[in-house]
Amino acid sequence: AQSVTQLDSQVPVFEEAPVELRCNYSSSVSVYLFWYVQYPNQGLQLLLKYLSGSTLVESINGFEAEFNKSQTSFHLRKPSVHISDTAEYFCAVSDAGGAQKLVFGQGTRLTINP
Amino acid sequence: ETGVTQTPRHLVMGMTNKKSLKCEQHLGHNAMYWYKQSAKKPLELMFVYSLEERVENNSVPSRFSPECPNSSHLFLHLHTLQPEDSALYLCASSPGTGGTWALHFGNGTRLTVT
Repeated sequence: AQSVTQLDSQVPVFEEAPVELRCNYSSSVSVYLFWYVQYPNQGLQLLLKYLSGSTLVESINGFEAEFNKSQTSFHLRKPSVHISDTAEYFCAVSDAGGAQKLVFGQGTRLTINP
Repeated sequence: ETGVTQTPRHLVMGMTNKKSLKCEQHLGHNAMYWYKQSAKKPLELMFVYSLEERVENNSVPSRFSPECPNSSHLFLHLHTLQPEDSALYLCASSPGTGGTWALHFGNGTRLTVT
C-alpha cells in the first residue's frame, strides 16, 4: 500500500520569497503523483500532476514539482510567492494501473507574510 | 451551474438526529466519492461510486450510509453520530476510476455533532 509523508505541517515565508513544500511517498509499484491546494473555506483543487514523461511538471500559477524516483519524492516549488498563495497544500499518490484510490498526505499550511 | 456542489455548507446535529448531506456534480463524470477531512489527519476516503455502483467502502461505520441514485447525485445519510464524527465532509467526482484521473472537489459540509 502507498503512503505519503509531507515533512512540514506549516511553512511561513515572506512575500516574493521562494518556497519548497516537501513530499515523500512509499510504494512497491509505479505511481501517479498529485498536488492539490485548498484555499480557506473551499474544497481541494488540482494544482498539478505527474503521470509519465518529463519529471518536471508545472502549474498555470507558477508552481512546479519534480518527480524523483530514486528519492521517492515529489517536492513542490515556487520561485516567488504571493499573498494569494496562502493555502493548505496536499500531496497525493495513486497506484499506476490500479483503481482510483488516492492516498493523501497530512497537508502543509503555507502562510505568506507581507 | 458548474462543478461540484455540496449542501448544506454547515450542519449541527445532535447524536440522536438523522440528517443527509447532498452532493451534485455538473461535469458529466462517472465516479463520485465521499472523503472525511479531520484536523491534523490525512483525508480519509469513505466511499466510491462508479456508474452508481458502490465500488469501495473503506471500513466506514454503519451510521454513515451512502446513496447514489444517478451519476450526478450522491448523498450521505447520517444517524446516531458521535462527537468524533465532527469534520469537514468532502464530495468529489472524476471522469472514471482509473488512477490517472484527478478529482474535482466540492466545498464541503462542515459537520458538528453535539
